[in-house]
Amino acid sequence: NAGVTQTPKFQVLKTGQSMTLQCAQDMNHNSMYWYRQDPGMGLRLIYYSASEGTTDKGEVPNGYNVSRLNKREFSLRLESAAPSQTSVYFCASREQGINEQFFGPGTRLTVL
Amino acid sequence: AQSVAQPEDQVNVAEGNPLTVKCTYSVSGNPYLFWYVQYPNRGLQFLLKYITGDNLVKGSYGFEAEFNKSQTSFHLKKPSALVSDSALYFCAVRDSGNTGFQKLVFGTGTRLLVSP
Repeated sequence: NAGVTQTPKFQVLKTGQSMTLQCAQDMNHNSMYWYRQDPGMGLRLIYYSASEGTTDKGEVPNGYNVSRLNKREFSLRLESAAPSQTSVYFCASREQGINEQFFGPGTRLTVL
Repeated sequence: AQSVAQPEDQVNVAEGNPLTVKCTYSVSGNPYLFWYVQYPNRGLQFLLKYITGDNLVKGSYGFEAEFNKSQTSFHLKKPSALVSDSALYFCAVRDSGNTGFQKLVFGTGTRLLVSP
């Protein structure tokens, strides 16, 4: 049981390049989330998916797109990376009910 | 909108002493509160949550949290700190928003440093 996995662990991009961050969970959770973590700002929600086939914007969605490919996988895409998107990105999933979220190990992204 | 505040950027405590990491909340309706811990270069790990019932909530690794409705606080505590408790701690509150879908709103985090 791997929990929530994310790839890649590290990535360096040049301004304007695109990339997709991958996330998968093996806990059969319906809900999945993407956050970014910046120093002094805690975690901010980028997008979330309540269930397979649905996605919604969070607090800071600009510059990102997401795909809920199936129940297991939820990807985050940066179409044209900007230095302001330098951050650590976390994926999380949650079971139904008032339950905690389970987090992946994160992707550290640097945009030059 | 729901929010939490962690007033201390860093808390320093000596090993063996009790520790407290503070969190206050602002919610409309019933508060559902969570504590998470983040070790260096790792994802967040769930420690404990308050939904209803007993104001003292026990969690993982010997941590507990005290819910205080009158002071709108949910402070994290441990009777005897360990050096290995040194990490970044986040308080969070559930936010259902307009859609009814559960999201978490996180505080800015408090770095706990336990000295030997």
